[in-house]
Amino acid sequence: KAGVTQTPRYLIKTRGQQVTLSCSPISGHRSVSWYQQTPGQGLQFLFEYFSETQRNKGNFPGRFSGRQFSNSRSEMNVSTLELGDSALYLCASSLAGLGGEKLFFGSGTQLSVL
Amino acid sequence: AQTVTQSQPEMSVQEAETVTLSCTYDTSENNYYLFWYKQPPSRQMILVIRQEAYKQQNATENRFSVNFQKAAKSFSLKISDSQLGDTAMYFCAFMPDSGGGADGLTFGKGTHLIIQP
Repeated sequence: KAGVTQTPRYLIKTRGQQVTLSCSPISGHRSVSWYQQTPGQGLQFLFEYFSETQRNKGNFPGRFSGRQFSNSRSEMNVSTLELGDSALYLCASSLAGLGGEKLFFGSGTQLSVL
Repeated sequence: AQTVTQSQPEMSVQEAETVTLSCTYDTSENNYYLFWYKQPPSRQMILVIRQEAYKQQNATENRFSVNFQKAAKSFSLKISDSQLGDTAMYFCAFMPDSGGGADGLTFGKGTHLIIQP
């Protein structure tokens, strides 16, 4: 069974641009969540999607958005990029996103904003 | 909201030794789950072990075991017979039984574990 796939692995953008990251969950998983990882703030929850609906959202500005498609694949978009958006963005999938479920993570997308 | 604290930024041990990573947490929830994740240089987060708070028995997975003290809100990870491949960042994480809500999976800052040959 294929794992969680994130594309691209690396991205370099400049301030003011926008970016779209992609995540394909494990087959059969319907919940996809996104996390931002930085050296200073650590791992922070962005949002979670289940059945094409955003079910939970972390404390990030509206520049960060996402969506989920009917095949459970998810995309995350960041508009008007700022230097502080440079981070590793991790996607995780689980069967239904319930409290005790194991989350399976992808290898992340490393975003550098210049 | 809950918090997770890992007080050891970095640890280094010799191969084959036993090492214990510390984690404490704070929550008002009664039912929850605790996790240890490993992040090697490949950056992929790998689940090491999971503990259900309502279970008194400590979880074990091969060389990995936990010491879960609910009253003390402590959740340490013990790695026995450490191997070079155990070198990684280790994150302690918390999730309420009701799901993450606006916090998702709450992570600690991590412990960088180095296994020396």
